Amino acid sequence: EIVMTQSPGTLSVSPGERATLSCRASQSVSSNLAWYQQKPGQPPRLLIYGASTRATGIPARFSGSGSGTEFTLTISSLQSEDFAVYYCQHYNNWPPWTFGQGTKVEIK
Amino acid sequence: QVQLVESGGGVVQPGRSLRLSCAASGFTFSSYGMHWVRQAPGKGLEWMASISYDGSNKVHGDSVKGRFTISRDNSKSTLYLQMNSLRVEDTAVYFCAKWATPGGIDYWGQGTLVTVSS
Repeated sequence: EIVMTQSPGTLSVSPGERATLSCRASQSVSSNLAWYQQKPGQPPRLLIYGASTRATGIPARFSGSGSGTEFTLTISSLQSEDFAVYYCQHYNNWPPWTFGQGTKVEIK
Repeated sequence: QVQLVESGGGVVQPGRSLRLSCAASGFTFSSYGMHWVRQAPGKGLEWMASISYDGSNKVHGDSVKGRFTISRDNSKSTLYLQMNSLRVEDTAVYFCAKWATPGGIDYWGQGTLVTVSS
């Protein structure tokens, strides 16, 4: 099973600043990686798939990069609605498609 | 629009069984694989099980293998999760989710809470 490791666990950022979240896979997943945003009491929302493609309706301030085992989600200028928990998930080949443990982005 | 509505959650004693359902609408259910993902209170997301579009292929996570079974009825556009031998640590919100064409998960239900307690 591929293990996904996210860092940091918590990121404190001021509104308008840039946030950079990392996700590492224990073995190569090519570009088969997705990022999700989850707010309290809500299901996750797909932000990025294919490591770098924004899902429908996702603002351009969200961008993804990486391939193989190292991935990054960047939020270029944090808005109030972006404070949430972010998860990465690989979908390499057939499931299991494991999630990272999440990064909480909080207001500094 | 795509809708996934879970039902069947509740409070159950350890060792008992429960069956969750997920009613799908707004897309051609029989053309897409589906997943169950759970989230324990205050914890992260845990992928649990997936099933192919026609039900011919299934895979379950190690933590539930042999106890939980994913299935589907394409004539009813419904996904199921049969949960047997429930444990306290199975307490979680269970999400039904749609397999995105390029991969990953593009739609999620609102979730149903399962509480395993004596």
